[in-house]
Amino acid sequence: LAKTTQPISMDSYEGQEVNITCSHNNIATNDYITWYQQFPSQGPRFIIQGYKTKVTNEVASLFIPADRKSSTLSLPRVSLSDTAVYYCLVGDTGRRALTFGSGTRLQVQP
Amino acid sequence: DTGVSQDPRHKITKRGQNVTFRCDPISEHNRLYWYRQTLGQGPEFLTYFQNEAQLEKSRLLSDRFSAERPKGSFSTLEIQRTEQGDSAMYLCASLSSEERYGYTFGSGTRLTVV
Repeated sequence: LAKTTQPISMDSYEGQEVNITCSHNNIATNDYITWYQQFPSQGPRFIIQGYKTKVTNEVASLFIPADRKSSTLSLPRVSLSDTAVYYCLVGDTGRRALTFGSGTRLQVQP
Repeated sequence: DTGVSQDPRHKITKRGQNVTFRCDPISEHNRLYWYRQTLGQGPEFLTYFQNEAQLEKSRLLSDRFSAERPKGSFSTLEIQRTEQGDSAMYLCASLSSEERYGYTFGSGTRLTVV
């Protein structure tokens, strides 16, 4: 299973762009990279998923370099409501269940 | 269909009692997962089903835990002889065969063993 490493916590201010990087050095060929957001007392919520290069949706962008050993979740113009824990997961859901790490606690200040 | 439903939302039980939780996944999702989460930690995988078949079970899962998914629809997770260490949020997630949109999680069942 690909192990992931991400910062324990980050602080930002409203309106700023936030980039959270995740390292996954032993990612396998069939593995996808998926990010989830979790608020207290709720289940995690899917944000974005990618395999290589760049993926963008209405919420975030995901940048994946050619070697795929890391990925960066980019949240444009964060607001207070983006304060949450963000998890980077790497794996092939067709074969195994995904493993969560401890995530990155993002605190957005006014 | 509004998403993954879990019942109950909260459960307080005395040590040694049995408890059962229910999860109703999104109807067209054929895979269903159970995770457990304690305060300050990420969710920990317990087990998963594809339709009615239980395909993977965590080695950390005690034999006091059992899960079923009869007919490939809803699932139940039973904990026998509960211990204080079982206190946690139990999360259920489902996944479509397309996989593109990741897991959809329910809001969880918070178990407190006293």
